[in-house]
Amino acid sequence: SQQGEEDPQALSIQEGENATMNCSYKTSINNLQWYRQNSGRGLVHLILIRSNEREKHSGRLRVTLDTSKKSSSLLITASRAADTASYFCATDLYNQGGKLIFGQGTELSVKP
Amino acid sequence: DAGVTQSPTHLIKTRGQQVTLRCSPKSGHDTVSWYQQALGQGPQFIFQYYEEEERQRGNFPDRFSGHQFPNYSSELNVNALLLGDSALYLCASSLVPGAMNTEAFFGQGTRLTVV
Repeated sequence: SQQGEEDPQALSIQEGENATMNCSYKTSINNLQWYRQNSGRGLVHLILIRSNEREKHSGRLRVTLDTSKKSSSLLITASRAADTASYFCATDLYNQGGKLIFGQGTELSVKP
Repeated sequence: DAGVTQSPTHLIKTRGQQVTLRCSPKSGHDTVSWYQQALGQGPQFIFQYYEEEERQRGNFPDRFSGHQFPNYSSELNVNALLLGDSALYLCASSLVPGAMNTEAFFGQGTRLTVV
């Protein structure tokens, strides 16, 4: 069964707006990674946040992690039409040797 | 620096046949994992290879098998194909499995269609 659950399943916004996606998980993790996928192609690695970190930034991306609530969020600021894609969180479970457990993903549509 | 490369890109097979998918990891990476992604779903872990051995396995039948070569490249074999095996198969490479900083990088995937 999937460890992660993502919310919302789909999100539609206008260019320039911010997009926030949430991910919840169930068990202890080493890290949590966010990926982007365009039209069923490969996964592009966006950002990794370790279990002992609370916030991380990369360009227009901001990721937070709350291990007490077992949740993470991905914020994309000033979105662009090119950000239209599916976004997945993946948890690297503690003591599971690097096996990633993915959520169902959030489908983001950014309208010009 | 070449990323993770997979071949072929697309494949059509008939039920009951066997298929082999190939993956070359990112330069410097020694661990390869395989995932199956059904349409509209998140990827599901199949198995992981490190030091030419299967280190972990997900909830997939024995029809799914793999191999890792001394140059760290890997193959995924699926026997007795079923219609339900139709999916995008993704290969991921990484270093130091299970470490806090280990990032996994994915290839473009192989789209397998079983008819």
